Amino acid sequence: QKEVEQNSGPLSVPEGAIASLNCTYSDRGSQSFFWYRQYSGKSPELIMSIYSNGDKEDGRFTAQLNKASQYVSLLIRDSQPSDSATYLCAVNIDGNTPLVFGKGTRLSVIA
Amino acid sequence: DTEVTQTPKHLVMGMTNKKSLKCEQHMGHRAMYWYKQKAKKPPELMFVYSYEKLSINESVPSRFSPECPNSSLLNLHLHALQPEDSALYLCASSQNSRAGYTFGSGTRLTVV
Repeated sequence: QKEVEQNSGPLSVPEGAIASLNCTYSDRGSQSFFWYRQYSGKSPELIMSIYSNGDKEDGRFTAQLNKASQYVSLLIRDSQPSDSATYLCAVNIDGNTPLVFGKGTRLSVIA
Repeated sequence: DTEVTQTPKHLVMGMTNKKSLKCEQHMGHRAMYWYKQKAKKPPELMFVYSYEKLSINESVPSRFSPECPNSSLLNLHLHALQPEDSALYLCASSQNSRAGYTFGSGTRLTVV
């Protein structure tokens, strides 16, 4: 059973703080990793992808991957109320099978 | 064009109606997906089409019938739905799942 685990939250952080969202996965052969942001009632939007160990930065977002420990995280610096959303972690085992999604972490940024 | 377009955005249908959801992409993606999402839950995979052929059916009831007329279009035909089928229906496409998905904006379906 291929699983992706996320803390469902809600994770509450004050405006301007760093939000840290975590995800673990069960299949050691997983190849690619994604973070989607989903506002209430809207569709998921891809915000970060990461394929190799280490950090990947894009603006206020940093994705971190540690394949040995089988976890991937998303850091949001200078959190804004507009970052309040559910963040879905998704993992690809190989290019021919569908992504496996976690249940999502709800983030609330308090002004 | 980097979008996946879904129509309609909202749909209300009775339990005896027949309706269809439509999804279109012009990114040359070879795989297209239907997902169902209930409130506060993650997307739930329904169907996968790869190169216009159905490759995965996640034991979806036959009242949902997918169709892929060509590489850019994906339909979901609905018939005799139940109120519990009310949800956000999401279409997605990808070149392959290693590259991630692009989701459409979804169809909010209400069955009355």
